[in-house]
Amino acid sequence: GAGVSQSPSNKVTEKGKDVELRCDPISGHTALYWYRQSLGQGLEFLIYFQGNSAPDKSGLPSDRFSAERTGGSVSTLTIQRTQQEDSAVYLCASSSLLGQKTPKDDYEQYFGPGTRLTVT
Amino acid sequence: DQQVKQNSPSLSVQEGRISILNCDYTNSMFDYFLWYKKYPAEGPTFLISISSIKDKNEDGRFTVFLNKSAKHLSLHIVPSQPGDSAVYFCAASARWEGGSEKLVFGKGTKLTVNP
Repeated sequence: GAGVSQSPSNKVTEKGKDVELRCDPISGHTALYWYRQSLGQGLEFLIYFQGNSAPDKSGLPSDRFSAERTGGSVSTLTIQRTQQEDSAVYLCASSSLLGQKTPKDDYEQYFGPGTRLTVT
Repeated sequence: DQQVKQNSPSLSVQEGRISILNCDYTNSMFDYFLWYKKYPAEGPTFLISISSIKDKNEDGRFTVFLNKSAKHLSLHIVPSQPGDSAVYFCAASARWEGGSEKLVFGKGTKLTVNP
């Protein structure tokens, strides 16, 4: 079975341009997450989709960032008017969450290889 | 403010010895903790997790210990192998907060296992 895939693997763009990053989660996974890792930093949460619920956008750093998930599967992260500080590796993850969770329900998020974004 | 802290940016151990990676957290709402391993140019790979109802979880050479009173967890790798050389991230989530299950990550510890 295929894992989480992301495209492109690398993206170089000029400051001020818009970019779109794509994530294909593992088939059947209901939850999808976007994170980013800036140089020398840990992974920073951006946004989370779970089924038909409203997404948790609390990690988006500015209104230049948006994401959508079409048909409960593929997700696109869009960054408008890119800035140099947006340069990072953008990672997508998916997981399979049960409707009812208990402390015994262990789960993990499976990550894609990431998209390295460089804004010049 | 960092809610998950990995205070050692790097660790070097000899093959066959024990590797101990440490992680501290500040948010008492965290109830689920995970360790991820990351090789260069790859996404993080899940290694092992522990729920707050446990204080130890073991999987082969990997054991995670949780000390809730100290808000501290550690990952033990025994015996360490050169292939274990990678960056290890500690992560935590508050699954019972009623919100999303986003993971909060530490900055990582780069482990080098020398042959």
